[in-house]
Amino acid sequence: SAVISQKPSRDICQRGTSLTIQCQVDSQVTMMFWYRQQPGQSLTLIATANQGSEATYESGFVIDKFPISRPNLTFSTLTVSNMSPEDSSIYLCSVSGPEGYTFGSGTRLTVV
Amino acid sequence: SQQGEEDPQALSIQEGENATMNCSYKTSINNLQWYRQNSGRGLVHLILIRSNEREKHSGRLRVTLDTSKKSSSLLITASRAADTASYFCATGKNGNKLVFGAGTILRVKS
Repeated sequence: SAVISQKPSRDICQRGTSLTIQCQVDSQVTMMFWYRQQPGQSLTLIATANQGSEATYESGFVIDKFPISRPNLTFSTLTVSNMSPEDSSIYLCSVSGPEGYTFGSGTRLTVV
Repeated sequence: SQQGEEDPQALSIQEGENATMNCSYKTSINNLQWYRQNSGRGLVHLILIRSNEREKHSGRLRVTLDTSKKSSSLLITASRAADTASYFCATGKNGNKLVFGAGTILRVKS
């Protein structure tokens, strides 16, 4: 299965600023997925990132707040823009495989 | 919205006992997957069961799937303290999107 390197692993940010999270995969993948996990909650899909096209966002998530880049088949970034304390969560990237999905180790974001 | 519901929400057992977690879902699926998450870190894939399968084993894990009842169970036998984690079911259909259940927090006491 694929190996994903995600960074940063954690960050504490001031409200109103932005943070960019990076995921690097050790193999080429068509789709990458970005999830949010709010404190004590399950995972919610933010968007699906395809190489060479605009990301597809789920209901409740918009590009202005969570812009995504997908410059090639092994890399993607998610930016959390104009942060507020409500954005404090774990953010995870993921790719699919024949027997399940592989996840990055997550970025624990705290907005103060 | 979350498709899956899991129960129990939390489970505390002694080392050596078996742990059973259940997952229910609402719509038709291609497969159902179980994941483990330790202390808010990344998820680890445990097992995938396809909609035409009824039972699957992997080491100390046993997963069942009942598509008529839209439910699945994860059994961990002979539990260890290292099994302490959150466990999530997730369903897959239509373009690889995974929809996660609410999760079960398992604590194994040594």
